[in-house]
Amino acid sequence: NAGVTQTPKFQVLKTGQSMTLQCAQDMNHEYMSWYRQDPGMGLRLIHYSVGAGITDQGEVPNGYNVSRSTTEDFPLRLLSAAPSQTSVYFCASSAHRDGYGYTFGSGTRLTVV
Amino acid sequence: EDQVTQSPEALRLQEGESSSLNCSYTVSGLRGLFWYRQDPGKGPEFLFTLYSAGEEKEKERLKATLTKKESFLHITAPKPEDSATYLCAVEEDGQNFVFGPGTRLSVLP
Repeated sequence: NAGVTQTPKFQVLKTGQSMTLQCAQDMNHEYMSWYRQDPGMGLRLIHYSVGAGITDQGEVPNGYNVSRSTTEDFPLRLLSAAPSQTSVYFCASSAHRDGYGYTFGSGTRLTVV
Repeated sequence: EDQVTQSPEALRLQEGESSSLNCSYTVSGLRGLFWYRQDPGKGPEFLFTLYSAGEEKEKERLKATLTKKESFLHITAPKPEDSATYLCAVEEDGQNFVFGPGTRLSVLP
């Protein structure tokens, strides 16, 4: 099925560990982004990319790195996990940067202990 | 500071009981306002885009409207399958999106 695929769905990390959240889309979308969702707060943008080789910071980039070597993939790396990074992470893609037609993945629920 | 607020935080309706959800925003240059639906354990699903005051969009039992300061999502004769969290987001000129915290809607049979 066409769409945005995120792996893993669940992850538990110890403080200080690093890991990569994977995101892949098969719709040839140029724009991809990572959000985190916390209770009582809206989705907050971490990083985004307007095309292969181009990335930029969003609202809450600290502690996260991204790269975009292909159109399809946009991995999110946690450098040294902290309890404050416990959240649900969503990857989204779109043909354009505006909000029309954003396709979100099903999310990764991350717990840092 | 740009802000998007949604009210109520949670809403319980009986099946068939119509109501409205509110999204209020303070941005200096609105490019678009977006409504999404999110089911538990899933990512948001796009519903509507509104670009200018007075614009309306409809989809089945949902109708979204936009004024200069807020948007309403009207739900007419809701069914239990309409239960979800409804998110709104605004795009400011040249910026990315700001999402509201959402309204959790429960429709009881």
